Formats: sequence, structure tokens, C-alpha cells
Amino acid sequence: KNEVEQSPQNLTAQEGEFITINCSYSVGISALHWLQQHPGGGIVSLFMLSSGKKKHGRLIATINIQEKHSSLHITASHPRDSAVYICAVSKGSARQLTFGSGTQLTVLP
Amino acid sequence: GAGVSQSPSNKVTEKGKDVELRCDPISGHTALYWYRQSLGQGLEFLIYFQGNSAPDKSGLPSDRFSAERTGGSVSTLTIQRTQQEDSAVYLCASSFGTNTEAFFGQGTRLTVV
Repeated sequence: KNEVEQSPQNLTAQEGEFITINCSYSVGISALHWLQQHPGGGIVSLFMLSSGKKKHGRLIATINIQEKHSSLHITASHPRDSAVYICAVSKGSARQLTFGSGTQLTVLP
Repeated sequence: GAGVSQSPSNKVTEKGKDVELRCDPISGHTALYWYRQSLGQGLEFLIYFQGNSAPDKSGLPSDRFSAERTGGSVSTLTIQRTQQEDSAVYLCASSFGTNTEAFFGQGTRLTVV
């Protein structure tokens, strides 16, 4: 079993819809990261959180440490939000990242 | 620099050749990580540097892989005697410390033919 599990693997939404991507992990962590990867592009860090909730524009990330679960929400989705969203956890003394398999999001106009 | 810079952006090499991939982290970032993204494997950790030392090499897949970092800045990942299974995107990330936000480069796409 992977240490970091994401769902769904693929998600198609209509523009304007509220989107939720889920992430569960099975190990002790120092922080959880949400990353965005556009086709052919590099990876951008969206959030790093170790408790509670963070908001940036239309993006909201929450984490429940007791349940080892995090969610990424996108409000009023837009076609430019189409990308792969990756959940990753940092652990160990080096805090290297262990990644989920990613969620391919497609937002249709 | 303004961001993490990796070179080359693409590299095609013949099986058995050695390749060097370069990462120029954000100035002042002491932590540097190499990751690999391959089809069917997702993203995996390769090696971590704190300054010039590499306390964690646990992710390097074989002894054909090595990396160094000089001056607490530029890092080079070297793959000797490349194999087809080494084909992947190699990503570098840097951060101010080990528990701060990581900034990723655009990656080097390596194709071994």
C-alpha cells in the first residue's frame, strides 16, 4: 500500500463547479504539500500545511492530523485550473517528499 | 536567481553513455533535493543535500547514480552507463530549510535510446 493515496485519479468538471481532491497518508509527517503540475511544465507548490486550513485565492487546503487526511478545494473552477494536482508528505530528518500518484483535473468551459 | 534552474531541459543519450544533469537552486536555499518522475512510477525521491553534504542518499536507485553539490549552490546529478529504464524527468527542488516550502525547477527530460 502506498504511503500517500489520492482520489480521484481523474476528475472532469464544468467551469464554475466546486472541486474537491482528497489525500490520505499512513505515516507520521512533518507537513503535507499540495503541488500543481501543468502539462510539459514544472511543479508549483500550492500549499504546505501541518494543521488546520489555508486559503489562497480560490484554493483552500485542509488537513486533519488525527485522521491523516487532507483535502484540496477549488471554488468557481476555471479551465486554467486544468492540471495534475499532487499531494505529498514530508517526513524524516531530511523532510524529503513522498508523493501521491496525482489527480488529473480537467475543467471544461 | 529568480527560480530553480535546470539544464539541459531535454537530453537524448545512447544506452551506455554517461550524462550529467545540472541544478542551480534559488540563492540562499541550503536544502536541495533531486527527484525523478517516470511513467508508471510517479515521483520518487533520489537524494538530499544540506549545504554541500548529502546526508540522505537513500533514494538513489543504483551505484550508477551519483550527485554532488559545490559551494552550497549548484548540484550535478550524474548517471553512468545509462540504461533505458533511466528515461524519466529529473526534477530538482530547493528550499530555505528542510521544513519550508520547496521550489521546483522545470526538470530535465532524459531519454535513453
